[in-house]
Parts: sequence; structure tokens; C-alpha cells
Amino acid sequence: EADIYQTPRYLVIGTGKKITLECSQTMGHDKMYWYQQDPGMELHLIHYSYGVNSTEKGDLSSESTVSRIRTEHFPLTLESARPSHTSQYLCASSRGGSTEAFFGQGTRLTVV
Amino acid sequence: AQSVTQLGSHVSVSEGALVLLRCNYSSSVPPYLFWYVQYPNQGLQLLLKYTSAATLVKGINGFEAEFKKSETSFHLTKPSAHMSDAAEYFCAVSAGGTSYGKLTFGQGTILTVHP
Repeated sequence: EADIYQTPRYLVIGTGKKITLECSQTMGHDKMYWYQQDPGMELHLIHYSYGVNSTEKGDLSSESTVSRIRTEHFPLTLESARPSHTSQYLCASSRGGSTEAFFGQGTRLTVV
Repeated sequence: AQSVTQLGSHVSVSEGALVLLRCNYSSSVPPYLFWYVQYPNQGLQLLLKYTSAATLVKGINGFEAEFKKSETSFHLTKPSAHMSDAAEYFCAVSAGGTSYGKLTFGQGTILTVHP
């Protein structure tokens, strides 16, 4: 069973607030990812990291930022939330050389 | 560049009937292909994966998929649907190598199972 955790599961927040979505994994995976999933739509990669102090932007442009100070932790931050940021955010991790990515349960963000 | 097309955003079957969810891919390199399932308000769970070994891949919960290079397809099947199979299913492709985990997803297919 995958051990990757996201908090909070649900978040409703006002426009202009700063938010951080947490993602942690206990599997020692070096690679971690953030995907964004709008309602009824496919997932798009917005950020990824291949190790500590390594972060890259994904295929879909996002106003969010990420950091990777520790192997197990990959938080995503929105400095000023807007209604257009309303979406589900899914975190994933994989071990180097493995074909399988493990997903967290997601954070459903609503910005009002 | 890679892309995935899932034919049919909604599929409805009766309990006990065959499940067939269609996926076609495009990839400039030999692909790695995946099927994930997502239950309401949950993350994604890997059903099965193709990584250039056997073309017929068996996964969890009785699902299987066949990689057909000539048709660029990776359709998901299950001989007999169960009510618990109702969920959304995503086909995904990866370039492999250092791109493991960097997945390109299809738009998803919602499977409804009727009693």
C-alpha cells in the first residue's frame, strides 16, 4: 500500500489568501510530482522534482510554486489564491528506475 | 511528444457484462502505458501497466489490457462487470527512462454499472 499523504483533503478559502498544500511520502522515493485536475477533466502535470533542491515546471503552466528541502516533503504554495485556482491537486511519487507512480488522495481546493 | 485519447467519456454496462474501455496513444518513443482508477473523492490507484514486456497485461480486480503497437491502442477489459467497478478510469503514457512518473493522461472514462 502506498504511503503518500496530502493535507488538507478539502480547503475553501477566500480570494487573495496564501495557501500551502502539503504532500509527504514515507517510501523514500526520490521523484515527486504535482498534478492538477479540473472537474471532469484529465490530470495535468504542473510541477515535478527529481530530488532535494530540484524542482521543474510541468506541462501545464501554473502560478503555484513548490519546494523540495527534504526527500519526503513536497509542498505546493499559492501566494494569492484566485477562483481560477479552484481544482483538485494530486501529489505523486516514484522511485528512480521504477515505472510506477503512487498517488495521494488529493486536495480539493475551492477559492471563493 | 505524447498524447492519449480515451474514446467515450461515459460507458454504461450491466452487472456481469463485458467492460471495454478504449485508449489510443501517440508517442515518439516506445511508450510505457498505464491504466489508473479513481473512486469519488479519492486519489488514483494503479490497475495495470505495460512496460515493453508481455503485450497482454493482467492487473488487479480482474482487469487486463492488450498493447497493440500496430493500432497504437491499449484498451482495458474485464469479462464480467461488478457494481464495485463503477469509477473513473484514466489511461496514461510515459516516455520511461528519466521520465518515469511524468505521465500524460487521457480525459478519463466514467464507468457506470447497472444492476
